[in-house]
Amino acid sequence: DAKTTQPNSMESNEEEPVHLPCNHSTISGTDYIHWYRQLPSQGPEYVIHGLTSNVNNRMASLAIAEDRKSSTLILHRATLRDAAVYYCILRDVDNQGGKLIFGQGTELSVKP
Amino acid sequence: DAGVIQSPRHEVTEMGQEVTLRCKPISGHNSLFWYRQTMMRGLELLIYFNNNVPIDDSGMPEDRFSAKMPNASFSTLKIQPSEPRDSAVYFCASSRTYDQPQHFGDGTRLSIL
Repeated sequence: DAKTTQPNSMESNEEEPVHLPCNHSTISGTDYIHWYRQLPSQGPEYVIHGLTSNVNNRMASLAIAEDRKSSTLILHRATLRDAAVYYCILRDVDNQGGKLIFGQGTELSVKP
Repeated sequence: DAGVIQSPRHEVTEMGQEVTLRCKPISGHNSLFWYRQTMMRGLELLIYFNNNVPIDDSGMPEDRFSAKMPNASFSTLKIQPSEPRDSAVYFCASSRTYDQPQHFGDGTRLSIL
């Protein structure tokens, strides 16, 4: 399975942008890059996903490097509610079905 | 819209007892997933179903664990007999199809004494 590498933790100030990095140097051509987050005492929550092009939705933006070996999740204005563990996951639906394989993620703390 | 509903939210039981965790997926979702989360091992996929059929149960730890999906709106995860090392938070998730984003329930926190 292709693996991802994320920093264990990051800090941010409220109302400032946050850039969460993810390295995936062994990514294959059929791997989608997915991001989920898990707020305290809750189940994981889907954030965004992409294949090659940058993606935007109401929650965040996903910037994917041209060689696809890394990506960055961007929260444009962090709020206290964004404090969570953020998981970057490679998902190959063609070869692994619907499996999401979670790593350790990045624990984001947001300071007021 | 109602999300994925899991019950019970908390369960404390003694070693050796049978434990049944329940999940109601989002209506119209055809895929259902059971995960387990512990501090040591993180989030692990146990089993998933497409159209009520188990597709991949390679994550089920041992024969003490079993999962069923008798219809599109209900699934159970059973542990018999339970052991202290089964203590964890168990999550159920569903998605429209197997390749769509997954929606998670709030989990069942299981403690085996």
